[in-house]
Amino acid sequence: GDSVTQMEGPVTLSEEAFLTINCTYTATGYPSLFWYVQYPGEGLQLLLKATKADDKGSNKGFEATYRKETTSFHLEKGSVQVSDSAVYFCALSVGQFYFGTGTSLTVIP
Amino acid sequence: GAGVSQSPSNKVTEKGKDVELRCDPISGHTALYWYRQSLGQGLEFLIYFQGNSAPDKSGLPSDRFSAERTGGSVSTLTIQRTQQEDSAVYLCASSLTWAGGYEQYFGPGTRLTVT
Repeated sequence: GDSVTQMEGPVTLSEEAFLTINCTYTATGYPSLFWYVQYPGEGLQLLLKATKADDKGSNKGFEATYRKETTSFHLEKGSVQVSDSAVYFCALSVGQFYFGTGTSLTVIP
Repeated sequence: GAGVSQSPSNKVTEKGKDVELRCDPISGHTALYWYRQSLGQGLEFLIYFQGNSAPDKSGLPSDRFSAERTGGSVSTLTIQRTQQEDSAVYLCASSLTWAGGYEQYFGPGTRLTVT
């Protein structure tokens, strides 16, 4: 069946460090891929998305590229800030959504 | 414009009581989803609606859970005879349609505590 597997956390980084959160997927069709973020005390919100192979989604300095050959959608940011501390969820959609278990990121000054 | 709203924001109930959770999706969104998020856990899919129809109810944890949607808008998730393991944050999301590619917009959630 369709599913998403993402890197387990928690992840702790120093400010300005490089971030990668791995996400791989299994899908029978042609899914759209998403990263959602949940800041402390807030609801989930869309961070970025890609709807077809080789698309790159980007927002707030975060990027992820839809790689069909490796069935991956890794989230990257070149220089994290304290304000990026949150839980990040990878998701795919083939109509129904499938979410990963979330990766908690803490950025320390 | 208005986002997805949920009510109540917090609900404390005694074991064995019934509860109703409400979701108001974004106007014009035909797809609506319910999830459950337990402390420190990911999102557990419960049910989705396309219009007023729920094609797949297999995500509901037990027959104590039911959901309905009327007028293609408001949805209610009902939990009968609540148990302590039902304690969680219940999230509602809506999207323009069920077809892939459209992002979901989430409400703030209802935190349910069963004592």
